[in-house]
Amino acid sequence: QSVLTQPPSASGTPGQRVTISCSGSSSNIGSNSVFWYQQLPGTAPKLLIYRINQRPSGVPDRFSGSRSGTSASLAISGLRSEDEADYYCAAWDDSLSGYVFGTGTKVTVL
Amino acid sequence: QITLKESGPTLVKPTQTLTLTCTFSGFSLSTSGVGVGWIRQPPGKALEWLALISWNDDKRYSPSLKTRLSITKDTSKNQVVLTMTNVDPVDTATYYCAHKQGTPSDAFDIWGQGTMVTVSS
Repeated sequence: QSVLTQPPSASGTPGQRVTISCSGSSSNIGSNSVFWYQQLPGTAPKLLIYRINQRPSGVPDRFSGSRSGTSASLAISGLRSEDEADYYCAAWDDSLSGYVFGTGTKVTVL
Repeated sequence: QITLKESGPTLVKPTQTLTLTCTFSGFSLSTSGVGVGWIRQPPGKALEWLALISWNDDKRYSPSLKTRLSITKDTSKNQVVLTMTNVDPVDTATYYCAHKQGTPSDAFDIWGQGTMVTVSS
């Protein structure tokens, strides 16, 4: 039922840069803020990025967000073992008048 | 410090009505711009937004579940209640409530720990 499409998996070695894409449409990513959530195993999601590229207090600057048209991306630089988690993009959808999440991407640190 | 905690039954039979309560602290749902939403996650699957209630009693629902959901707030008790009718095994999931500040299109910034609900006869 996810409206936003993400790759199912991404991986990298410690110190590498990993990028996760999120594809949407003009009614969500193309016209509204994009958010990214990190979900560590067995825990609740945590807000990682809001308003496309803003980090809440306490989120390392290794995490960065961007948007181009109807797609968004999350980049993790200087990958660390503690970054191994599921990552979800999200946005408000004007057509649905509701919140939509991405399909989720599992990041593995090799 | 904002905290939220979900509570409700762990096991519900098919066709029954599920009632979940979100009890929160550290903010008031009568403050302009504040909202509380519900999101669920079936085992091993993605997050799915269900409903949102705002400080001014504006209510939004997932279009696919709108006919089965009802969200209400009790400002004096600092609680938000989500009701889902006619549950089915596909409704088995961890249910989260979360806080948001600003417009309905802003992020859910603080989440509860979640409560697992199993629908089975």
